[in-house]
Amino acid sequence: QSALTQPPSASGSPGQSVTISCTGTSSDVGGYNYVSWYQHHPGKAPKLMIYEVNKRPSGVPDRFSGSKSGNTASLSVSGLQAEDEADYYCCSYGGTNNLLFGGGTKLTVL
Amino acid sequence: VQLVESGGNLVQPGGSLRLSCAASGFAFTSFAMGWVRQPPGKGLEWVSATSGTGTSTFYADSVKGRFTISRDNSKNTLYLQMNSLRAEDTAIYYCAKDSWSTTIRGFDFWGQGTQVTVPS
Repeated sequence: QSALTQPPSASGSPGQSVTISCTGTSSDVGGYNYVSWYQHHPGKAPKLMIYEVNKRPSGVPDRFSGSKSGNTASLSVSGLQAEDEADYYCCSYGGTNNLLFGGGTKLTVL
Repeated sequence: VQLVESGGNLVQPGGSLRLSCAASGFAFTSFAMGWVRQPPGKGLEWVSATSGTGTSTFYADSVKGRFTISRDNSKNTLYLQMNSLRAEDTAIYYCAKDSWSTTIRGFDFWGQGTQVTVPS
């Protein structure tokens, strides 16, 4: 199975909103509600931001939200803050006990 | 939750290496665990996972037959035995905890990673 498709970059000014897409197929993103999103600052451990498409772990600001339509999942960040600048990766259960990651999106806060 | 990887090193093509991940702060036997890697300048790639009991193991096609995942639940430690290493295995290897026990659905906690380098 191929990796999920994400835009390589996204950007927004402080206070603005940005949405990052993650496109797969009916065998992964479209077939299961097990899409998660991770925030990764280089040199640090990736951090779970969204799981099961739209659920937020305790401690993650409600500025972060997730959704899915068909074979495409999305991560939305509202009220952008400087500390949101990081790489973001989507991940989907791919069936037959495997996980697929997206190529990553570098979010820049202008 | 704390996950601490160790064992990364520079190894020649065709060589072997064993990574370890010491876990603490949660009921280790109750959760599936896995490994994810990040090659230099590239994105994350799922490598392998094992169920909470260790009886079920899962592998990406790229490492099947060369890598073996295992866990010692008495020591709260996850392992990845890597054999027949290739240059394309060069990456930071992350240990991660799943929220499920018997299978994998997505990792909720990650370690900071350990570097594996296989020169070309």
